[in-house]
Amino acid sequence: AQRVTQPEKLLSVFKGAPVELKCNYSYSGSPELFWYVQYSRQRLQLLLRHISRESIKGFTADLNKGETSFHLKKPFAQEEDSAMYYCALSGRNTGTASKLTFGTGTRLQVTL
Amino acid sequence: EADIYQTPRYLVIGTGKKITLECSQTMGHDKMYWYQQDPGMELHLIHYSYGVNSTEKGDLSSESTVSRIRTEHFPLTLESARPSHTSQYLCASSAGPAEAFFGQGTRLTVV
Repeated sequence: AQRVTQPEKLLSVFKGAPVELKCNYSYSGSPELFWYVQYSRQRLQLLLRHISRESIKGFTADLNKGETSFHLKKPFAQEEDSAMYYCALSGRNTGTASKLTFGTGTRLQVTL
Repeated sequence: EADIYQTPRYLVIGTGKKITLECSQTMGHDKMYWYQQDPGMELHLIHYSYGVNSTEKGDLSSESTVSRIRTEHFPLTLESARPSHTSQYLCASSAGPAEAFFGQGTRLTVV
C-alpha cells in the first residue's frame, strides 16, 4: 500500500520567514514524489517533482529515502505563496498500474 | 489546445437522480483519475484507469462507477444521487508516472 502523510493542516508564517512543509511517505517500490499547489480559485497544478531536481518559485524539495521524506522548503516566504500544498506519490515503474496518491494537504498562510 | 475538460462545472440535482460527470482530455494520456475533494480539503482517489477498458477503484469507497471506452474520455456516473454525494469531483490525466494535469472540477450539490 502507498501512503502520503502531511502532518500539518495549517502553517502560518510571516513574510520573509523560511518555510518548510513536511511530507512523509510509505511505498515498497521506487517512488516518484511530487508537490502540487492549489491557489485560490485555480486548478490544482504541479509545483515540482523530485526527479527534476529544480527550484520552482524559490521552492525546493529533496527526497530522503532513509527518512522516507520529501519536505518542501523555501528560504523566504512571499504573500503570493499562500495556497494549499499537496504532496503526492506515484510508483516509478510505468509497467504497473500505479496510482497517484495525495496527502491531506497543508494550507500555507503568509502574513505581513 | 491540449487540455483536460470537465462538464458541468456546477450541478445541483435532486435526490435519486442519475448523473454523469464528464471528463475529456486531448493530451493523449494513458492514465486518468477521479478524485473527490471537499473545498480546501484533502483529495481522495475514487477511481483510476491506466488505459482503455481498464478501471480500478481508488482508496476511498465510492458508489460511483466509471468507464474508459476511449482514451480521451473517462465519465463518472452516479446511478442514484444522495446528499452524501455532495462534493467537488476532480478529474486528472497523466502520461505514465509523469505530471498529472487536473480539470477545473465539477461542484456537485444533491438536494
